[in-house]
Amino acid sequence: QTVVTQEPSLTVSPGGTVTLTCASSTGAVTSGYYPNWFQQKPGQAPRALIYSTSNKHSWTPARFSGSLLGGKAALTLSGVQPEDEAEYYCLLYYGGAYVFGTGTKVTVL
Amino acid sequence: EVQLVQSGAEVKKPGESLKISCKGSGYSFTSYWIGWVRQMPGKGLEWMGIIYPGDSDTRYSPSFQGQVTISADKSISTAYLQWSSLKASDTAMYYCARRFSGSYLNWGQGTLVTVSS
Repeated sequence: QTVVTQEPSLTVSPGGTVTLTCASSTGAVTSGYYPNWFQQKPGQAPRALIYSTSNKHSWTPARFSGSLLGGKAALTLSGVQPEDEAEYYCLLYYGGAYVFGTGTKVTVL
Repeated sequence: EVQLVQSGAEVKKPGESLKISCKGSGYSFTSYWIGWVRQMPGKGLEWMGIIYPGDSDTRYSPSFQGQVTISADKSISTAYLQWSSLKASDTAMYYCARRFSGSYLNWGQGTLVTVSS
């Protein structure tokens, strides 16, 4: 059973920078896993932020960026805003099937 | 405008069957994969499976294979998720989402399924 692991929680100050990571139990994450990132706020459906490692949607704020870092997929939030407080999930592709990460709760404090 | 509208909340007893729906509009329903995602109370997202309505090609997560059935009726632009015998552990919010250009771009509002005796 494939497991995709994220940090359970991270705290960042307003205006600060935080990096979330996404690791696969099968080994290094590459662009071939087409990493996606989603934001979910309480009581809401998830919202797509990043696809195929680093591509943004039209609504994705410029302060969000995706990359590969040390064998993991990464989501960096720069100049964090209070409204960025949310749960963040990565999603990796495994040849026909997908697996969500365990999720990271980002607190802005 | 692309929309995915899911059926309403359900309350069922263990052992009962259930089929929930996800109706797509504002795009060519047969040309894009639709996935289903589970979120148990207070827990994370779980990818369940995906269907291509154009030819009903379906893929399942190993965790959900044999536990649920995903189908689609392209004549009414609707995808389905069904159970033949519900368990209390099926209590969750279920989301459908359209896959577009490598992203799950558009999401339904979610269907809350509660299974309780």
